Parts: sequence; C-alpha cells; structure tokens
Amino acid sequence: GQNIDQPTEMTATEGAIVQINCTYQTSGFNGLFWYQQHAGEAPTFLSYNVLDGLEEKGRFSSFLSRSKGYSYLLLKELQMKDSASYLCAAGSSGGSYIPTFGRGTSLIVHP
Amino acid sequence: DADVTQTPRNRITKTGKRIMLECSQTKGHDRMYWYRQDPGLGLRLIYYSFDVKDINKGEISDGYSVSRQAQAKFSLSLESAIPNQTALYFCATRSGSTGELFFGEGSRLTVL
Repeated sequence: GQNIDQPTEMTATEGAIVQINCTYQTSGFNGLFWYQQHAGEAPTFLSYNVLDGLEEKGRFSSFLSRSKGYSYLLLKELQMKDSASYLCAAGSSGGSYIPTFGRGTSLIVHP
Repeated sequence: DADVTQTPRNRITKTGKRIMLECSQTKGHDRMYWYRQDPGLGLRLIYYSFDVKDINKGEISDGYSVSRQAQAKFSLSLESAIPNQTALYFCATRSGSTGELFFGEGSRLTVL
C-alpha cells in the first residue's frame, strides 16, 4: 500500500525561505514528485527526484532520502504568487506506474 | 490550446442522473488517469488506462466507469450520480520519459 504524509498548512513571509516536508511509505517506490496547485486550477509539475540528494531549479529545490522515506521542497525568496497548495506524490515501479498523492500542503505567503 | 482538455468544465446535475466527463489529449501519451479532488483529501485515483485495451480500477472506482475510445480520449461516467460525488475531477496523461503528469483544467461537478 501507499501512505504519504505532509503538513496541512504552512505560512511564511514574502522574501523568506520555507521547507515543506513529505514522508512516504510506498511499495516499489521509484521516485518522488512535487506539484504546485493554485486554487481552482490544475496541478503543475515542479520536480522529480529518483536518486538521493538535492535537485535545484531556480528558487525551488527538492530533496530525497530513499532510506528515510523522506523528501522536502524548499522555496526561496518567497513571492506572493507562491501561495498555493503543494502536492507530494510517490511513484511505484513494476511497470505499472501509479502516482499516489499526499493531501497537499496549503502555503500562505504574507507580505 | 490546452494539451489536455476536459469537458464540461462545470456541471450541476441531480441525484440519479447519468453524467459523462470527457477528456482528450494531444500529447500522444498512452497512459491516462482520472482523479477526484475533495477539500482536505488531495487527489484520489478513480481509474487509469495504459492503452486502449488496458483499463484498471483505482482506489475509489465504485460508482464510476470509464471508456478509452482512442489513445487520445478517456471518458469518465457516473451511471447514477449521488451527492457525495460532488467534487473536482481531473484527467491526466503521463509522459513515458519523465513520468511527469499533465493535468486537464478540471471538471467541477455538483450533484444536488
């Protein structure tokens, strides 16, 4: 089975740094995705980690530790437009890729 | 134009009515998915399809059925809608090379 856990809500200040954590227990794990979803819109892809370590992409970075079943999304130089829900999703292997999503973390960025 | 298109975008219906949500894609992906999103519950998988002849149930398939009419088209049906099927429904396709999901804009369904 799959179990993915992330905080329900976080708040931060414009210009600051925020880290959103995700823990997972997934059979046949083969990678961890992060998606961003603004209210009323479709999720959009942010990052994909399959190996341990940090992947940096502009203001956003994502980290994975397979041995610990842990990932985080790091957002730097926060902007108001970063207020959104951030979805952690674990992929499973075995030829049947079925992404399983966490419940999402709602990030509120204050001026 | 969007790569993954869902119709209708909004629908209000009554209990017991049959509803079809349609999804079409121009990305050429084989794998397509239907998800349901409810506040506080995240995205939950209803059905998925790896090609026209391969359709599989997800974690919450009861009360739903699907049809993969072609590689580009994947429809979700509610045979007899009930109020707890009120939700935002997303269709998605998956890139075979990156694993990234591409979502449609969503179909908001309200069952009265």
